[in-house]
Amino acid sequence: EVQLVESGGGLVQPGGSLRLSCAASGFTFSSYAMNWVRQAPGKGLEYVSTISSNGGSTYYANSVKGRFTISRDNSKNTLYLQMGSLRAEDTAVYYCARRVPYSYGLDIWGQGTMVTVSS
Amino acid sequence: QSALTQPASVSGSPGQSITISCTGTSSDVGGYNYVSWYQQHPGKTPKLMIYGVSNRPSGVSNRFSASKSGNTASLTISGLQAEDEADYYCSSYTSSSTPVVFGGGTKLTVL
Repeated sequence: EVQLVESGGGLVQPGGSLRLSCAASGFTFSSYAMNWVRQAPGKGLEYVSTISSNGGSTYYANSVKGRFTISRDNSKNTLYLQMGSLRAEDTAVYYCARRVPYSYGLDIWGQGTMVTVSS
Repeated sequence: QSALTQPASVSGSPGQSITISCTGTSSDVGGYNYVSWYQQHPGKTPKLMIYGVSNRPSGVSNRFSASKSGNTASLTISGLQAEDEADYYCSSYTSSSTPVVFGGGTKLTVL
């Protein structure tokens, strides 16, 4: 079964850091670009970041650029999001998602992990 | 404010057809064939319904179709069913510094 499972969310104070992980299974992880998308409580979807299949290219939303770092370990079939200088507005469910090749569609999504930034 | 503009809500009766619009600019929707549509039921994970403007992933009902004209993309659901009641989001590649943008979402109510 094709699956993505996020972990690492939790409660963190403003200015703090957190690392999210996304474990992939059921497909050739190293062949796909991967993404992080977030959704604040009661709000819409917001693009966060993309990493190419080999990790050589990364992209970020302006709202997280310079604070978040996306990375991957293809030997472990795992995607990461290192989040720093966290703000209250970063509070959201964070989803990892697989990108359809030659497209910007995201066809497989994890169940999400909640990040709450609060003192 | 979302980069892509969607109506906040649409509604229709079972069996009818509805269309959800997604308006952007020539830097995103109008400039590239990379529009996607997602369905999200309350408390659930988003589901890809359309990619590449009009392509349906395997397993998505052919009651869902989509197109693009100029800077506006559209998702049409025909033969509305109760299970179609959900939030729908469009997204597009964009040539701006942020490569992907989403619409604000449209809540579909099946009357």
